[in-house]
Amino acid sequence: GAVVSQHPSWVICKSGTSVKIECRSLDFQATTMFWYRQFPKQSLMLMATSNEGSKATYEQGVEKDKFLINHASLTLSTLTVTSAHPEDSSFYICSAQTGVYNQPQHFGDGTRLSIL
Amino acid sequence: GENVEQHPSTLSVQEGDSAVIKCTYSDSASNYFPWYKQELGKRPQLIIDIRSNVGEKKDQRIAVTLNKTAKHFSLHITETQPEDSAVYFCAASIQGQAGTALIFGKGTTLSVSS
Repeated sequence: GAVVSQHPSWVICKSGTSVKIECRSLDFQATTMFWYRQFPKQSLMLMATSNEGSKATYEQGVEKDKFLINHASLTLSTLTVTSAHPEDSSFYICSAQTGVYNQPQHFGDGTRLSIL
Repeated sequence: GENVEQHPSTLSVQEGDSAVIKCTYSDSASNYFPWYKQELGKRPQLIIDIRSNVGEKKDQRIAVTLNKTAKHFSLHITETQPEDSAVYFCAASIQGQAGTALIFGKGTTLSVSS
């Protein structure tokens, strides 16, 4: 149980392109979804928290106009990297959580984004 | 805000030995502490978690201890095996309006040699 699917797993695109990443909870309803960014051999940095039907809460230093998050349903959240540039290249990973208080987060497989 | 320190950054042990990873946190309001294992290029997987009303929790070869007064918690792996080799992350909860977010430590690369 608690399977989270993330697509695509790998994206290579030109600078200036917008890229959409999907995160789906397959066998449970996710009250909350989280988006993280992970650089090679580094930790997971929380970018934003989203709840179904409401605006995402972004962490300090994360540009909300650059990283658009939509949480359209209890099983789907999307992250769109707008007008991507090489410095946006990274490993993006989502997680999903049931309930709002001290529940485990279940992670997707991540998306490796490379901007040329 | 919450800050999580994790030590050591790398840990090498012989198969069968025990491994201990320690974390400290700064926000006394944190009350949920999970540990994740991440193999190269794969998703982090929850291996054990502990809540603040418990001092210790064990699951087969893995145990976690929590000292709320000192604000530190530790992961203990006994009888290590080569397949335990991975990066381990501790995390502490921060409660926001949107849910319980996690702040992660920098990770410990565990290498178990046979």
